[in-house]
Amino acid sequence: DVKVTQSSRYLVKRTGEKVFLECVQDMDHENMFWYRQDPGLGLRLIYFSYDVKMKEKGDIPEGYSVSREKKERFSLILESASTNQTSMYLCASSPQTANYGYTFGSGTRLTVV
Amino acid sequence: GQNIDQPTEMTATEGAIVQINCTYQTSGFNGLFWYQQHAGEAPTFLSYNVLDGLEEKGRFSSFLSRSKGYSYLLLKELQMKDSASYLCAVRDQGGYNKLIFGAGTRLAVHP
Repeated sequence: DVKVTQSSRYLVKRTGEKVFLECVQDMDHENMFWYRQDPGLGLRLIYFSYDVKMKEKGDIPEGYSVSREKKERFSLILESASTNQTSMYLCASSPQTANYGYTFGSGTRLTVV
Repeated sequence: GQNIDQPTEMTATEGAIVQINCTYQTSGFNGLFWYQQHAGEAPTFLSYNVLDGLEEKGRFSSFLSRSKGYSYLLLKELQMKDSASYLCAVRDQGGYNKLIFGAGTRLAVHP
């Protein structure tokens, strides 16, 4: 089974801190994605990557950046955390096309205080 | 623009049938997915439709009409464990397997 692992289940950070969320997949998938999930808004795409060192902005990239130095790892960076970035962050991976869509990680619930 | 609409909440009785609708208006279309998400957990894949018609998988079925921009997920013989959120997602045509999600429908199953 494909496994997508997010390094932290819960995080609490202070306003202004630089925050790193890590995601690792073990099935050699080309595509990796970062979403945030908020009540009433569903999953919104922040960034995605289709290859090592390649990245594309999603619908809400402001305040975030990403890094993909190795195929299996996709990092989300909050340059200066703010309280409106308190959310559930979900990482996902997939091959180029897949009839099952994505495999998701378990999520990181980030609270910025 | 991209718009995917689902009802926010639904309730149903154990053993009954429930239909969760999803309408979409997206700039491209390359398949529609349904996911189930239990509270505090990651979404898990339920079904995929790319052609018009009904796809049946055990107690769950999913229907797609591309001309109407419409899909539904049908859950039969409801069980308490089916209480969860159900997410409708459209894959756009730009490659990279990028999915656009609706806000989800929270289903509560009562005894």
